[in-house]
Amino acid sequence: GAGVSQSPSNKVTEKGKDVELRCDPISGHTALYWYRQSLGQGLEFLIYFQGNSAPDKSGLPSDRFSAERTGGSVSTLTIQRTQQEDSAVYLCASSLVPGFTYEQYFGPGTRLTVT
Amino acid sequence: DAKTTQPPSMDCAEGRAANLPCNHSTISGNEYVYWYRQIHSQGPQYIIHGLKNNETNEMASLIITEDRKSSTLILPHATLRDTAVYYCIVRVVDYGGSQGNLIFGKGTKLSVKP
Repeated sequence: GAGVSQSPSNKVTEKGKDVELRCDPISGHTALYWYRQSLGQGLEFLIYFQGNSAPDKSGLPSDRFSAERTGGSVSTLTIQRTQQEDSAVYLCASSLVPGFTYEQYFGPGTRLTVT
Repeated sequence: DAKTTQPPSMDCAEGRAANLPCNHSTISGNEYVYWYRQIHSQGPQYIIHGLKNNETNEMASLIITEDRKSSTLILPHATLRDTAVYYCIVRVVDYGGSQGNLIFGKGTKLSVKP
């Protein structure tokens, strides 16, 4: 079946512009996560959605970052007034909850470059 | 901060077993050990997880010490395609409850050489 998909795969934007990154989770997965990975760094958690519960936003680095999940499926991560330090690969993952493994399935990521 | 310690890098000859260690000396009784890997330019991929018993699947085996303070991921016959960064993660699994995010450390960069 289809895995997690993300779009665009690459995004180049000018400093100060807003960007929107999209994630389509695996159908039926109720949990959705956003992470980012800067060059040479590990994966950093950003935000977590679980069903109809309030999202866990504890990983968002600043108020320029926001995310929403419509209809319990597609999610959009928005970065306002982008800065060069926002350049990274943004990864989305989903998981089936409840489920024995709670395995998170990751998408291929969106590479964001802020010039 | 990650609750695990892994060597930054390891080499393995193609066709040989790759044994990747992980220390998790502060693991709690309700925390599982998970392994993910990230092949270059791809998203992380789940490999295996376990609580206290050794586990095996089609990808790997997981050996957890009796005191649960460390574990070893074993790739029995490493191939060039197994070259990746391997992450050992400990997390609570609350069946039916909220799971939360994975906390990734720096992992071990495994290089499988011909």
